[in-house]
Amino acid sequence: AQSVTQLGSHVSVSEGALVLLRCNYSSSVPPYLFWYVQYPNQGLQLLLKYTTGATLVKGINGFEAEFKKSETSFHLTKPSAHMSDAAEYFCAVLKGGGFKTIFGAGTRLFVKA
Amino acid sequence: DVKVTQSSRYLVKRTGEKVFLECVQDMDHENMFWYRQDPGLGLRLIYFSYDVKMKEKGDIPEGYSVSREKKERFSLILESASTNQTSMYLCASETGGNTDTQYFGPGTRLTVL
Repeated sequence: AQSVTQLGSHVSVSEGALVLLRCNYSSSVPPYLFWYVQYPNQGLQLLLKYTTGATLVKGINGFEAEFKKSETSFHLTKPSAHMSDAAEYFCAVLKGGGFKTIFGAGTRLFVKA
Repeated sequence: DVKVTQSSRYLVKRTGEKVFLECVQDMDHENMFWYRQDPGLGLRLIYFSYDVKMKEKGDIPEGYSVSREKKERFSLILESASTNQTSMYLCASETGGNTDTQYFGPGTRLTVL
């Protein structure tokens, strides 16, 4: 069975600081991995996804994530946080050929001025 | 741009009422999903549909049913609302490809009194 673990339900950074949101997954087959962002009072939208190929994936708004098979991780990073990055972030995994995307519990990012 | 709309942003109902949540997508997507989102639990799949009149139970289908009479519309029905169904409900759609992105509506915050 697949699962997703996001370490830290809340992360706080200062504006301009590095953002690191952690995600570990378990999957019996090579997974497809996603990061979604949810701004207040909105639905989720895709930040980036890994399917195959290059393990470093670049997304929107300066975010990127690296698929590390040996560590079963897909951590999300951004070199310099902006106030507008404050939101909730969800890591998700989809087994290739499957219908069901499994979402992590979410990490709420706070950005301090 | 893909657009997924949900019939209400906020809804207040009484225990025992029948509740309909409507979702419409405008991109001819094959798959549609209903999730509920609760703090600390992330998104949990209630039902999904991969074709008109086809439906599959997700992880927490109890107390819910769905209807998909047309490709663009996917309805979630609470037959007899209960207070533990107070939650944020998110609808999503995707084309049906193996690596596909889900597109989310803005959500309906349902309160059952």
